[in-house]
Amino acid sequence: EVQLVDSGGGLVQPGGSLRLSCAASGFTFNNYAMSWVRQAPGKGLEWVSGISNSGGSTYYADSVKGRFTISRDNSKNTLYLQMNSLRAEDTAAYYCAKDLSAGRGFDSWGQGILVTVSS
Amino acid sequence: QSALTQPASVSGSPGQSITISCTGTSSDVGGYNYVSWYQQHPGKAPKLIIYDVSNRPSGVSNRFSGSKSGNTASLTISGLQAEDEADYYCTSYTSDSSLGPYVFGTGTKVTVL
Repeated sequence: EVQLVDSGGGLVQPGGSLRLSCAASGFTFNNYAMSWVRQAPGKGLEWVSGISNSGGSTYYADSVKGRFTISRDNSKNTLYLQMNSLRAEDTAAYYCAKDLSAGRGFDSWGQGILVTVSS
Repeated sequence: QSALTQPASVSGSPGQSITISCTGTSSDVGGYNYVSWYQQHPGKAPKLIIYDVSNRPSGVSNRFSGSKSGNTASLTISGLQAEDEADYYCTSYTSDSSLGPYVFGTGTKVTVL
């Protein structure tokens, strides 16, 4: 059974940093691209960042480009999202998601982790 | 180009069929057969219910079906049941690099009357 467990969220001040992790199990992690998707309170889903199966290619939404860095450690079956220069508008539940294959959508999701940016 | 356009809400009585639209452009919905749909209950993670426009993952009820015409994709829920009350989101691959490879719909709240 595919399992994705998100961790690392919490309260951070504007301008601060946070690193999210997503521990994957139940599938061959290094065969699949992965993404981070977020959802602000009471709002819709927003794709944030994606990474190819090897980690050689990364993609970002304009809203986070230059501030967030996605990475993966295939030896640890773990996906990361390093978030710097955080803003109030980054407050959201962040989900890691397993890509069906590049561009086709997400067939498994983590439980989500809340990130709150506030002073 | 921003999010794909969905109706904010759709409602129906038990047993009825409802359809949710998802309108984009030729750079996303109209240009690729990579539309997927997700069901999200309050406080829960989204769940994939349709991929590649009209395919259902294993275990998803056949009451859910998807289609596409031009720049608009649609999700139909037939035989509406109380447990179908949830938020529904479409997403599509997009060639608009400012959005990344994926663009989501605005979301639709389904209410079972």
